[in-house]
Amino acid sequence: AQSVTQLDSQVPVFEEAPVELRCNYSSSVSVYLFWYVQYPNQGLQLLLKYLSGSTLVKGINGFEAEFNKSQTSFHLRKPSVHISDTAEYFCAHPSSPQGGSEKLVFGKGTKLTVNP
Amino acid sequence: NAGVTQTPKFQVLKTGQSMTLQCAQDMNHNSMYWYRQDPGMGLRLIYYSASEGTTDKGEVPNGYNVSRLNKREFSLRLESAAPSQTSVYFCALLGAENTGELFFGEGSRLTVL
Repeated sequence: AQSVTQLDSQVPVFEEAPVELRCNYSSSVSVYLFWYVQYPNQGLQLLLKYLSGSTLVKGINGFEAEFNKSQTSFHLRKPSVHISDTAEYFCAHPSSPQGGSEKLVFGKGTKLTVNP
Repeated sequence: NAGVTQTPKFQVLKTGQSMTLQCAQDMNHNSMYWYRQDPGMGLRLIYYSASEGTTDKGEVPNGYNVSRLNKREFSLRLESAAPSQTSVYFCALLGAENTGELFFGEGSRLTVL
C-alpha cells in the first residue's frame, strides 16, 4: 500500500514569514499527490494537486508545491503567510500503485499556526 | 462544503447505543466515502462506495456498517457504540474521476461515554 509521511506535526511561524510543510511519499508506479487544508471546525478542501506535467504546482491562497521524484517529496510552500493561513494541512496520495483517486490515503497532518 | 450535507453535526451516545450518521450529496457523482479524524492520526477511511448499491471496506471498518441505497445518500451506522469510536466523522464525495478532488461535509462530532 502507498503511504505519505508528513514530517512535522506542528509548525509555528510569524506572519509574513515563509513556510514549508514537508511531505514524503512512497510509490512504485504512477504518482498523484494532493494537499488539502482544514480550517478550524470545517471539512477539508483541496489546496492543490499534482497529476502529471510541470513539477511546480500552484494552488489557492498563494500556496505552491514541488514534486520531486528523486527525493519522493511533495513539499508545500508559501513565501509569506497570513494569520488566516492558520489551519491543518494534509498531504494525500492514492492507496493503489495504479493511481486514480479512489481511496486517498492521508498523512497525519501538519498544524500551521501563524502568529502576529 | 456545498454539495455534501452531514447530519447530525454533534451527538453524544452511551456505550452500547446505536446510531446512524447520514450523508447526502446533490452533485450527482458516484463515489462517496466515510472517514474518521482523530488527533495525530489524520483521516482514516472507514468505508467507501463506488456507486449505488456497492460498498467496500477501508482501513478501519470494524464496528461500522454502511448503506448506499441510492446515488444521493451514504449512511454510516454504529450498531453498538464504543468509547474508541469517539471521533469526528467526515463524509466525502469524489469529484471528476481521477482528479483526486474530494468534497467534504462539515463533519459530525461523536462522543461515546
